[in-house]
Amino acid sequence: GAVVSQHPSWVICKSGTSVKIECRSLDFQATTMFWYRQFPKQSLMLMATSNEGSKATYEQGVEKDKFLINHASLTLSTLTVTSAHPEDSSFYICSANRGPNYNEQFFGPGTRLTVL
Amino acid sequence: KQEVTQIPAALSVPEGENLVLNCSFTDSAIYNLQWFRQDPGKGLTSLLLIQSSQREQTSGRLNASLDKSSGRSTLYIAASQPGDSATYLCAASGTYKYIFGTGTRLKVLA
Repeated sequence: GAVVSQHPSWVICKSGTSVKIECRSLDFQATTMFWYRQFPKQSLMLMATSNEGSKATYEQGVEKDKFLINHASLTLSTLTVTSAHPEDSSFYICSANRGPNYNEQFFGPGTRLTVL
Repeated sequence: KQEVTQIPAALSVPEGENLVLNCSFTDSAIYNLQWFRQDPGKGLTSLLLIQSSQREQTSGRLNASLDKSSGRSTLYIAASQPGDSATYLCAASGTYKYIFGTGTRLKVLA
């Protein structure tokens, strides 16, 4: 149990376009989902925390207008990278926990974004 | 602000060696400490999770310990194999947030 999926697994887009990445909890309801970004040879950095039905909380330095997060249901959160540029190329990983009494996060397989 | 550091940053060992990876965190008020493995270009594989009330967890050849008072966790890998080659990340869990360490890149030579 506790499987998290992401779609797509990789995407290549042109500079200036928008890209949407989906994160789904397949066998549990996720009250809270998290989005991380990982640059090559670096660790994961938390970008934002999203709770179902409410606005996401962004970490310091993350542009909320550039990285739009929607957590419309207890099993789906989306990250939209708007007007993507080459510097947005990265590995994006989502995670989810089961609820407010559970601290363990379950991680998706990641999405590789390349902006040309 | 929680900061998590891993030492060494990279490690290369011959097959069969026992090895220890270190993880240090600055804020001892954590809920749990989790160790992950990441293969190149791939996502995270959870290895061991230690709750704040626990001192250690074991799975096969892996043993992870936690000392909250000193802000340290160690991952012990027994009888290392080439298949263990990967990047190992630790993450300290605060209030719903995971703060990841800088990672240790391990290479086990056949």
